[in-house]
Amino acid sequence: AQKVTQAQTEISVVEKEDVTLDCVYETRDTTYYLFWYKQPPSGELVFLIRRNSFDEQNEISGRYSWNFQKSTSSFNFTITASQVVDSAVYFCALSRESNYQLIWGAGTKLIIKP
Amino acid sequence: DAGVIQSPRHEVTEMGQEVTLRCKPISGHDYLFWYRQTMMRGLELLIYFNNNVPIDDSGMPEDRFSAKMPNASFSTLKIQPSEPRDSAVYFCASSFGFPGNTIYFGEGSWLTVV
Repeated sequence: AQKVTQAQTEISVVEKEDVTLDCVYETRDTTYYLFWYKQPPSGELVFLIRRNSFDEQNEISGRYSWNFQKSTSSFNFTITASQVVDSAVYFCALSRESNYQLIWGAGTKLIIKP
Repeated sequence: DAGVIQSPRHEVTEMGQEVTLRCKPISGHDYLFWYRQTMMRGLELLIYFNNNVPIDDSGMPEDRFSAKMPNASFSTLKIQPSEPRDSAVYFCASSFGFPGNTIYFGEGSWLTVV
């Protein structure tokens, strides 16, 4: 069975702090894809990153970084020097190679206080 | 480049009325998805199309829901008759190529049925 767990329901930090959002997944597939999406208060779903199961290199994009570890089935997301505009719900998702059914985590609500 | 375009952004309707949500996918994308998001159930895939053909509609909740894609640049999701429990955010999304590629979402249509 495929499953994505985001154990942190809500995180609240003060601006400029670093924050890590956890994502743990379950799959028996050899080939799979992992995603992070951001849903700000305005409601749209914004794509952040896609990672395939064969690429375990960490990714950095500005203040955002992602740590993919197959050994622990985790795909964690870190925001460095957080800003108020980072406040949103962040979703981790898993896709199989065989179909387009995205398996979604429950989301983590991130609150950045000024 | 234009993203996925949805209309209307907000709709308030009375129970029993017909609701039609519209979507224009990203040009060149050959997959189109309809998702529903509620607090209780999170993000659910309702139906998806490949090259205008419905591939999987197992997520469509009941016969009151129908979706069409008459051409590569337009799709509709219709609810007839609408019920209060249909109140949700409906997202259209599109992708290109094969499962595992990034799915890009529209801004959503916020439906309230009173």
